[in-house]
Amino acid sequence: SQTIHQWPATLVQPVGSPLSLECTVEGTSNPNLYWYRQAAGRGLQLLFYSVGIGQISSEVPQNLSASRPQDRQFILSSKKLLLSDSGFYLCAWSGGVNTEAFFGQGTRLTVV
Amino acid sequence: RKEVEQDPGPFNVPEGATVAFNCTYSNSASQSFFWYRQDCRKEPKLLMSVYSSGNEDGRFTAQLNRASQYISLLIRDSKLSDSATYLCVVKSTGRRALTFGSGTRLQVQP
Repeated sequence: SQTIHQWPATLVQPVGSPLSLECTVEGTSNPNLYWYRQAAGRGLQLLFYSVGIGQISSEVPQNLSASRPQDRQFILSSKKLLLSDSGFYLCAWSGGVNTEAFFGQGTRLTVV
Repeated sequence: RKEVEQDPGPFNVPEGATVAFNCTYSNSASQSFFWYRQDCRKEPKLLMSVYSSGNEDGRFTAQLNRASQYISLLIRDSKLSDSATYLCVVKSTGRRALTFGSGTRLQVQP
């Protein structure tokens, strides 16, 4: 069966510090991968998606970037965090374009 | 206008009650529809897909009305454990990912 791992679960970082969140998927190959962010009390906002190694599409301009160095690894990064980057970051995978997505446990990021 | 709209609630219902949530979507080219459940401070989890003919999974029934562009979720015999936020989710042509509504919060009370 497929599983998705995301870490860390919580993170407190100072403004201006770098960020690296990692997500890996097991039990499937060539998944579509996604990074979403959920602000407190709000809906999920799509940040990035990837359909293959090295292929990243950004949905909104922002202070973040994403990379996919391996088929089942997806990384979210920032060189300098802003206060507005605080939120709940969720990695997800899906097996196809019109299929459901499955989420990792999420990383709750607080920028102080 | 948001692509997927839901009443944020909260819906406060007693145990055993029947509760219904509605959701509207704006893109007529939407192809796939889902309901997810999200517990407080947890990741969203797939509750059920929504099919054109309507579908049922135990106490949960989902309906799709393409002409009016709305989706519904009916929960019968509510349990305390049903307390959560229910997210309406749509996949539209031209979009590479699912679009999530902001969710409807349900609180089932003893």
